[in-house]
Amino acid sequence: QSVLTQPPSVSGAPGQRVTISCTGSYSNIGAGYDVHWYQQLPGTAPILLIFGNTKRPSGVPDRFSGSKSGTSASLAISGLQAEDEADYYCQSYDTSLSGWVFGGGTKLTVL
Amino acid sequence: QVQLQESGPGLLKPSETLSLTCTVSGYSISSGYYWGWVRQPPGKGLEWIGTMYHTGITYYNPSLKSRVTISLGTSKRQFSLDLRSVTAADTAVYFCARSDCTSNSCFVDSWGQGTLVTVSS
Repeated sequence: QSVLTQPPSVSGAPGQRVTISCTGSYSNIGAGYDVHWYQQLPGTAPILLIFGNTKRPSGVPDRFSGSKSGTSASLAISGLQAEDEADYYCQSYDTSLSGWVFGGGTKLTVL
Repeated sequence: QVQLQESGPGLLKPSETLSLTCTVSGYSISSGYYWGWVRQPPGKGLEWIGTMYHTGITYYNPSLKSRVTISLGTSKRQFSLDLRSVTAADTAVYFCARSDCTSNSCFVDSWGQGTLVTVSS
């Protein structure tokens, strides 16, 4: 059971917009700690997609965007492409656990 | 551009110590950032193991803290992970990572490719 809760899977057709939620609590996201997102393609290491809730590292397309409100955060992917099919993880800090915490991951399927 | 590469044994027996080294190219560890390890059991999600500031200060996952040591290598381009008394539950792909921080939370901005460590008798 992950401290940050993500849906196990989401899907969408090419060109559509999908969102992935990351639900935490008042000891992590709700305490004001920033949320970060990673994309992991099959058989590869994760890559940083969003940091500081909303910021994109250079090279990440603006189709990817992040938001945060209350005890939750979301990753939105617009203009869905076949190459976006991957696992997505949220990550933050938890003050009760005194450490980094990851969501359980969400598998995105492009139909 | 920084690159990280893990090395170490791929197969261990229960109760042994897992020792991995991360070799960094394109950046000197002593120049800054945080350096650490994340693991991923087969078919499962990511788990933070621990992080070390470039000065040597360490932060560990409380669930692993009693068994883990992250330390700087003899070279300014290496750091290491020791995980003692391993069991089958420690079987995972281990990633070394460079981290940066916002005002209140850190994130991995560069990852190694990962190395599979299997614990089996």
